[in-house]
This record gives sequence, C-alpha cells and structure tokens, in this order.
Amino acid sequence: EAGVVQSPRYKIIEKKQPVAFWCNPISGHNTLYWYLQNLGQGPELLIRYENEEAVDDSQLPKDRFSAERLKGVDSTLKIQPAELGDSAVYLCASSRTPSGGWNEQFFGPGTRLTVL
Amino acid sequence: GENVEQHPSTLSVQEGDSAVIKCTYSDSASNYFPWYKQELGKRPQLIIDIRSNVGEKKDQRIAVTLNKTAKHFSLHITETQPEDSAVYFCAASPGTYKYIFGTGTRLKVLA
Repeated sequence: EAGVVQSPRYKIIEKKQPVAFWCNPISGHNTLYWYLQNLGQGPELLIRYENEEAVDDSQLPKDRFSAERLKGVDSTLKIQPAELGDSAVYLCASSRTPSGGWNEQFFGPGTRLTVL
Repeated sequence: GENVEQHPSTLSVQEGDSAVIKCTYSDSASNYFPWYKQELGKRPQLIIDIRSNVGEKKDQRIAVTLNKTAKHFSLHITETQPEDSAVYFCAASPGTYKYIFGTGTRLKVLA
C-alpha cells in the first residue's frame, strides 16, 4: 500500500509570510495527526483528526496555526504569519481505528520548513 | 505532566557489538510502547513495539524489555550493522491515540 504522502518536502519562506502543508494519509486510515519535530527532538503532537473532526488540538497555537480535513481524507496545515521559531519539520501520520486499545501510527516523510 | 526521558542522546558502537537505549515514562496509565527508527531525511518507521501485558519481545536482532513497576523500557540491538545507524525514538502511549515521544538517540555503528 502507498504510504503517507506529504508535500512540499522542503519550504523556505521569509518571516511573516503564510505557508501551507498538505498530507494524504494511507487509504482507509480515519485518524490523522500533525506533529512538529524540532531539530534533535522527538515529534510533538499538534492536532489529531478523527475523520473530519479535530478531536485533540490542545497543542496547536491557534493564533497563527490552523488545520482542516474537510472531507475526512486529505489535510492541510497552515501557518500565518510564520515566525523564525517555526522552522522545524512538520510530520503527518495516520492510523486505523485501533482494535484492542492500541494503534500503529504511520508517518509521512515530513515537510522541512525554514523561516528566514 | 506526561513525559518520556530517553538516554543516551548519542551512542557509538563497533560493528557487531550490541546497543542499548533506555527510556523512562511518567504516566502510569501508559500501556503501549513503540520504537521508531528515523534515518536522515526520512520518515520515522516502527521497528518494534510492546504492550503492557508482556515484559519482553524479540524480533531477530532487536528486542524490547518493559519494567512497568519502574516505568522504564529498553531497546536492545545485537550484532549491529552499519545500516542500523539512525536516530531511534521511543514513545509511550497513555491512551488509545496519544504518543509521548522521547528526545531520540543517534546511533552510529562504526565499521
């Protein structure tokens, strides 16, 4: 099966500009996650979707970050305006509805954002 | 709050030697512990996981052990090879969907 697809792979922008990242999860995976990965750190959850509903966005900085998953498949994460500290890798992951209380998350290759 | 500590941050071993990476978690409700391998510029990929109802799991050269009382779990790689060089992340899951990741260990296998 095809893996999680993300685009673009790399993005360089100047501060205060807007930027958007796109994710297409594995077919049949109804749960989608956006993570932030700073250099030398583990991924940190920004938002989780169950189908088209954002069920956990407690870590999303809502003043400048937004996300959507309108049809419960693809998702877009947006930053407006970007700040220098937003430079990081943005990872998308997806999973099936878990059975037995556990699930495996499959990650995309990430988008490396550099804000100048 | 919830957190996962991972040690060491870097690890260099000679090819053929063993490597051990250790993680400690804080949330006693954690019941699922996956390990991910991330090669440079690539996506994290699951290499092994363990549920809270077992103490050890092995898959060829890799194994994971879990001590729920002490709230720590470890990754063991035997007979290391150059292709094992990567960053390894542990995670603890206190709920069905939530993963708390460690800070990663950069493993270098020297030929």
